[in-house]
Amino acid sequence: RKEVEQDPGPFNVPEGATVAFNCTYSNSASQSFFWYRQDCRKEPKLLMSVYSSGNEDGRFTAQLNRASQYISLLIRDSKLSDSATYLCVVNPVPSGTYKYIFGTGTRLKVLA
Amino acid sequence: DTAVSQTPKYLVTQMGNDKSIKCEQNLGHDTMYWYKQDSKKFLKIMFSYNNKELIINETVPNRFSPKSPDKAHLNLHINSLELGDSAVYFCASSRAGTGSRSPLHFGNGTRLTVT
Repeated sequence: RKEVEQDPGPFNVPEGATVAFNCTYSNSASQSFFWYRQDCRKEPKLLMSVYSSGNEDGRFTAQLNRASQYISLLIRDSKLSDSATYLCVVNPVPSGTYKYIFGTGTRLKVLA
Repeated sequence: DTAVSQTPKYLVTQMGNDKSIKCEQNLGHDTMYWYKQDSKKFLKIMFSYNNKELIINETVPNRFSPKSPDKAHLNLHINSLELGDSAVYFCASSRAGTGSRSPLHFGNGTRLTVT
């Protein structure tokens, strides 16, 4: 089993739709979780950290489910500009060593 | 104002050559990384340095040698380049002290093409 797994997609959705991605992780001791966005031929950029109680930033909501070992990202009212690859990132150790593991990414296309 | 900067942005070279990529961050972070993104777009960690000390080396061939002269810089030297080294190499940094919860900040990548 891979350490961090994502559905590669692509997810093709119309503008205004709500779309959700999940990401599963294998190490139950993982403490830190993030969603990054990567546009074609660009560097990954932090979209949001994922907190235990879940968190929201505008149209984006992140959730953590420790029991089932997955995190999710919900995008409401999709915009054309949301088209990108969304990367799930997990730091699989409690502290000390810094080893951020990336999922393969989920590609989102928002269609006009 | 650039937080994490790496040079060059593009690097085209022939097999067997030796090349270096430089990275600098002005965020005051003390942990820096090199990631490789291959043609399948998978980002894989190569090295991690904390306060100039190597803390992660992910079974990277020893043709790759990172060097951290100070905690704001992490360079990557590659000897005897091979076709399979073609990829995008990203430098990143994060803050220590907050444990593992500090996110990564990336440079804009170096696209290496080996012919």
